[in-house]
Order: sequence, then C-alpha cells, then structure tokens
Amino acid sequence: AQSVTQLDSQVPVFEEAPVELRCNYSSSVSVYLFWYVQYPNQGLQLLLKYLSGSTLVESINGFEAEFNKSQTSFHLRKPSVHISDTAEYFCAVSPFSGGYNKLIFGAGTRLAVHP
Amino acid sequence: GAVVSQHPSWVICKSGTSVKIECRSLDFQATTMFWYRQFPKQSLMLMATSNEGSKATYEQGVEKDKFLINHASLTLSTLTVTSAHPEDSSFYICSAQRGRWRGHNEQFFGPGTRLTVL
Repeated sequence: AQSVTQLDSQVPVFEEAPVELRCNYSSSVSVYLFWYVQYPNQGLQLLLKYLSGSTLVESINGFEAEFNKSQTSFHLRKPSVHISDTAEYFCAVSPFSGGYNKLIFGAGTRLAVHP
Repeated sequence: GAVVSQHPSWVICKSGTSVKIECRSLDFQATTMFWYRQFPKQSLMLMATSNEGSKATYEQGVEKDKFLINHASLTLSTLTVTSAHPEDSSFYICSAQRGRWRGHNEQFFGPGTRLTVL
C-alpha cells in the first residue's frame, strides 16, 4: 500500500518570496511521483512529475521538485512566488503497474500568496 | 489536447433520488477512467477504476451498488449515485487515461461536479 503525507495544510507567503511545499511518501514498491495544482473552481492540472532519470524536475512556470529516495520525499519549491500561484497543491504517487496507473493523493497544501 | 469534461458542474437533489454524472474525454480515447471523491479541504480519494466495456473495479469501502459506474464507450463514463443521501454530498472528479502501456500513463482530470443532497 502507498500513502502520501503533505506536512503543511496551509502555507502563507508574501509575493516574490521563496516557498517550499513538503511531501513525503510511503510505499513498498517503486512509484512515480507527481505534483498537481488546483486553482479555485478548476480541475486538477499536472504541475510536474518524476518518472525516472534526473531527480530534479522542473515545470514551465518556475516550480521544481526533487526526488529524494533515501528520505522518500518529493518537496516542491519555487524561488519567487506570484499572486497567481495561489492555489491548492497536491502531491501524489502512482505505483509501477502493468498499465493501470492508480494515483494516491496527499491531503493538499493551500498556498496563499499575499501582496 | 487531452481535455476532459464533466456534466453537470453542480447538482442539487432531494434525498432518495438518483443522480447521474457524465465524464467525457473530448479529444482522445480513454481506455481507462477513474472516479474520485473530494471532501471539503481534503484530498481526492479514488472510488473506482473503469475500463471501457468491462465492470468497474471499486476501492475498498466504496459501495458498488450505491455508486454505479458505466464506461460504455472510449469517450464516456458515467457515475450514478443511487438513492442519494446528505452524506453523499461531495465533489466528484473524474480523470481519463489515454493509453494502457507499461510504465506511466498520464491522467487528465475533469473540472469536477459538486453534488449537494438536501
């Protein structure tokens, strides 16, 4: 079985400040790792993913996450946030499978960026 | 590309009635669709996995007679909440998977349907 823990339910931050959203997971098998973002009144959007290769992955809007196998973590970071980054962020894992990619989500972290 | 729609976006119904929610992949064929439930300020919980032309696989604790899932075509899956009660009020989200290859198959999410049962 798998589980995902997002350590912070809410993270308030001022505009242009750096931010880190923490995610730890537990799994007895290898997993893929994801961050999804949910803007108010919208569906989930994939922000970035780690499938294999380089442990540091980046999104097109400045977010990055690093897979740390020994610490079973996949923390999300951004060096300078914007008001428009205000949203709910979900970390998720998907166990390796034969084609059915079940996603197990964390509880979410609400990022609130203040001017 | 890879757009998933849900209809309706919100619905209010009386206790005891049944409600059907549709999930459509608009520009791709979805071999597999997933149904999730999200309570306020909580995460998404997978309810069931639906493959075109076969019975859905329900997660532990999800009543299959309560939440009927039909995946009649490669672009449409429906979730019917039968004899809905106030505790069924929630945000229901579907996602669609484009392929079924070994390795990772990305899921694309619908915008969700908010169900309120009075």
